[in-house]
Amino acid sequence: DAMVIQNPRYQVTQFGKPVTLSCSQTLNHNVMYWYQQKSSQAPKLLFHYYDKDFNNEADTPDNFQSRRPNTSFCFLDIRSPGLGDAAMYLCATTPGQGYNEQFFGPGTRLTVL
Amino acid sequence: GENVEQHPSTLSVQEGDSAVIKCTYSDSASNYFPWYKQELGKGPQLIIDIRSNVGEKKDQRIAVTLNKTAKHFSLHITETQPEDSAVYFCAASTSTRGNQFYFGTGTSLTVIP
Repeated sequence: DAMVIQNPRYQVTQFGKPVTLSCSQTLNHNVMYWYQQKSSQAPKLLFHYYDKDFNNEADTPDNFQSRRPNTSFCFLDIRSPGLGDAAMYLCATTPGQGYNEQFFGPGTRLTVL
Repeated sequence: GENVEQHPSTLSVQEGDSAVIKCTYSDSASNYFPWYKQELGKGPQLIIDIRSNVGEKKDQRIAVTLNKTAKHFSLHITETQPEDSAVYFCAASTSTRGNQFYFGTGTSLTVIP
């Protein structure tokens, strides 16, 4: 019973070619997060949504955008991927304010050629 | 902002021995401390968590302790098994709107059969 689903699991794109990663959740959680994780490093928060309120991290490059059309879905758009954007991209959710468990999806491994 | 430090970065133990991973945090407002296990190519999975009103929590072979005064918390795995081999991340969070999670740098645990 997958609760946080990410598609695709593996994505290959070319340098500079826009790519969209997808996340959906069946938990009806208010908060959705996007993290970037490079090899042997901790997940790095890119941005998160509390309902429709978008919160961007100060050091997230403008190349990264996000959309949340409804409670269940959230998208990560990389407008012009560079070689340095190759990483695992993780989506996560929490219910909202309060003591919250964070549920992660399986991740999307992005390769940039 | 919050700063979470995690030690050691790598840990090797013999099967059946115990493993201990330690984290410190800087923000006294943090009140929720999860531990995640991440296997190769997968998203982090919550294995145990502790809230600031509790000093210790145990779940079978896994336990977590929290010292609020010293601002540190530890993961203890007893009777380690080869399937415990993975990367473990600690994190700290506050129960505020949006719940930002701050991750430690990870510990790569290897259990030698």
